[in-house]
Amino acid sequence: GENVEQHPSTLSVQEGDSAVIKCTYSDSASNYFPWYKQELGKRPQLIIDIRSNVGEKKDQRIAVTLNKTAKHFSLHITETQPEDSAVYFCAANSNYQLIWGAGTKLIIKP
Amino acid sequence: EAGVAQSPRYKIIEKRQSVAFWCNPISGHATLYWYQQILGQGPKLLIQFQNNGVVDDSQLPKDRFSAERLKGVDSTLKIQPAKLEDSAVYLCASSTRTSGSYEQYFGPGTRLTVT
Repeated sequence: GENVEQHPSTLSVQEGDSAVIKCTYSDSASNYFPWYKQELGKRPQLIIDIRSNVGEKKDQRIAVTLNKTAKHFSLHITETQPEDSAVYFCAANSNYQLIWGAGTKLIIKP
Repeated sequence: EAGVAQSPRYKIIEKRQSVAFWCNPISGHATLYWYQQILGQGPKLLIQFQNNGVVDDSQLPKDRFSAERLKGVDSTLKIQPAKLEDSAVYLCASSTRTSGSYEQYFGPGTRLTVT
């Protein structure tokens, strides 16, 4: 079945630096790739998504890139801030549902 | 707009007991999801409803879990009997459509501890 792999599981960066989280998927029919942020003890919330008809999408300090040929997509956060500390999940749609990655814990060091 | 509501927020039960969770999705959202999130893992879909019909329940342990959405609005998820490995956060989410390619809005979750 569909599988989404996410790396790294933990990422520690200095405040102000950039962070990159990578995901790969297996279902060639997937065409929707959202990223959710989950702060400690809170619910997951959508921060950005991309559809297969575009290769890159930006929203202020966050951007997502998609390579359909290689079946991978990445989340880029620039100028990281303390409030970026959270667990980030990637996902890909497959057969009417979302398949989720295992998550990346992003730690912002002061 | 009001968000997805869930209750209770926390529940502690002993193994072999039963428990029920309730979810009220965003008004007008036809699709409702129940996820199980074990600490340190991503959400795992248990069941997906489109209105009051089941779209996918392939990962629902049907020997102990059941869910319903009788009037196509509120939903309940039940576990009977509970096992230690059922300790997790149970998240309810809703979406405008069922294709899997639209934003899912999550409720605050119910943290279940089975002792």
